[in-house]
Amino acid sequence: EAQVTQNPRYLITVTGKKLTVTCSQNMNHEYMSWYRQDPGLGLRQIYYSMNVEVTDKGDVPEGYKVSRKEKRNFPLILESPSPNQTSLYFCASSPSDRASTEAFFGQGTRLTVV
Amino acid sequence: DAKTTQPNSMESNEEEPVHLPCNHSTISGTDYIHWYRQLPSQGPEYVIHGLTSNVNNRMASLAIAEDRKSSTLILHRATLRDAAVYYCILRDVGGSNYKLTFGKGTLLTVNP
Repeated sequence: EAQVTQNPRYLITVTGKKLTVTCSQNMNHEYMSWYRQDPGLGLRQIYYSMNVEVTDKGDVPEGYKVSRKEKRNFPLILESPSPNQTSLYFCASSPSDRASTEAFFGQGTRLTVV
Repeated sequence: DAKTTQPNSMESNEEEPVHLPCNHSTISGTDYIHWYRQLPSQGPEYVIHGLTSNVNNRMASLAIAEDRKSSTLILHRATLRDAAVYYCILRDVGGSNYKLTFGKGTLLTVNP
């Protein structure tokens, strides 16, 4: 089954403790993105990747890092999480950058930083 | 990016058709109209997209006005599982296609 898999689904952590949220897709897609969703602010893009070893900042990249060492994986790294990074995170992938292309989203990771 | 306007919420009854409107009066000639939905506690899910002509797929139909300044997502027979937030999004051929810009969407409630 074609899917985007995120882990973990739920995470509670403390301020400053490094964490990684993993994202994996099995569709051989080139394009992958991370979004965060906050009440009243909608979904905002954090980082995106056009292919292996090619990443760029989205709208809200501060406090986050990403890497794309393999085509299927696109982990989101929070080196020193802070409470304002408490949010619902989604990973997405798509086969191309054409405007007619659909995106596939993971189930989400609910992160709480205390 | 061109902006879309959707009603905050709509309500329907199970097994009845639902017409979800979207206004995009500043749409450019190269903007594709996409619809996604987000069920409770899930990630957004692609529904349908189109450019100029009406489109049908297994999930829904998309009716695009002749001047393309508005469109309507049609769910032919709403089920309880269709209760979700529906987002109308424009994607420009010449723009940043790596990003989907989600607005507030329309919260659809389906009554049994």
